[in-house]
Amino acid sequence: ETGVTQTPRHLVMGMTNKKSLKCEQHLGHNAMYWYKQSAKKPLELMFVYSLEERVENNSVPSRFSPECPNSSHLFLHLHTLQPEDSALYLCASSQDRGYNYGYTFGSGTRLTVV
Amino acid sequence: AQKVTQAQTEISVVEKEDVTLDCVYETRDTTYYLFWYKQPPSGELVFLIRRNSFDEQNEISGRYSWNFQKSTSSFNFTITASQVVDSAVYFCALPSSNTGKLIFGQGTTLQVKP
Repeated sequence: ETGVTQTPRHLVMGMTNKKSLKCEQHLGHNAMYWYKQSAKKPLELMFVYSLEERVENNSVPSRFSPECPNSSHLFLHLHTLQPEDSALYLCASSQDRGYNYGYTFGSGTRLTVV
Repeated sequence: AQKVTQAQTEISVVEKEDVTLDCVYETRDTTYYLFWYKQPPSGELVFLIRRNSFDEQNEISGRYSWNFQKSTSSFNFTITASQVVDSAVYFCALPSSNTGKLIFGQGTTLQVKP
């Protein structure tokens, strides 16, 4: 398997739906991240988990709820989203929060909110 | 504050042309790393290079080369004899010395036409 796996690759959901994005890494890394990438916008860091503890939450609306049950898995639970939440959601992992090694990214989940 | 600037939003070249993507960074750290990532249409950010600020020697990897100039705080990326498969968004990144999280530039979209 590749280093960081994200499922699903594509997701279309209504504004009243509840769905979850999944990220899994098999690299032995101890930090994981969620990024949002909207069209024509830079990468926006949403959440950072280090050793399964959330260490950063960049003013993300509560309709996005992360969960990190162990160092290999990261979820992003979605509920009552808005059309402007449509974007590519990228998961990444790193060793020791990336200072020396950078991040390994997944292929992303392309989310469309209708 | 640390910052990464990629002033070129979009570049379009014809196949076999050489192209340089600019990256300028700001940091007060004396030791730091710099990264380049490639994001093809599939979405995944692919690691290209990590450069230590101690090493100012230019690096070449096939058609790719990187010019690190500490005096001008630049870390430019050149693709020689570009190919259609080089079409992607390219990101330059610098880790935050406080948190280790990667600070990304805005990205440069490169289109290589046949």
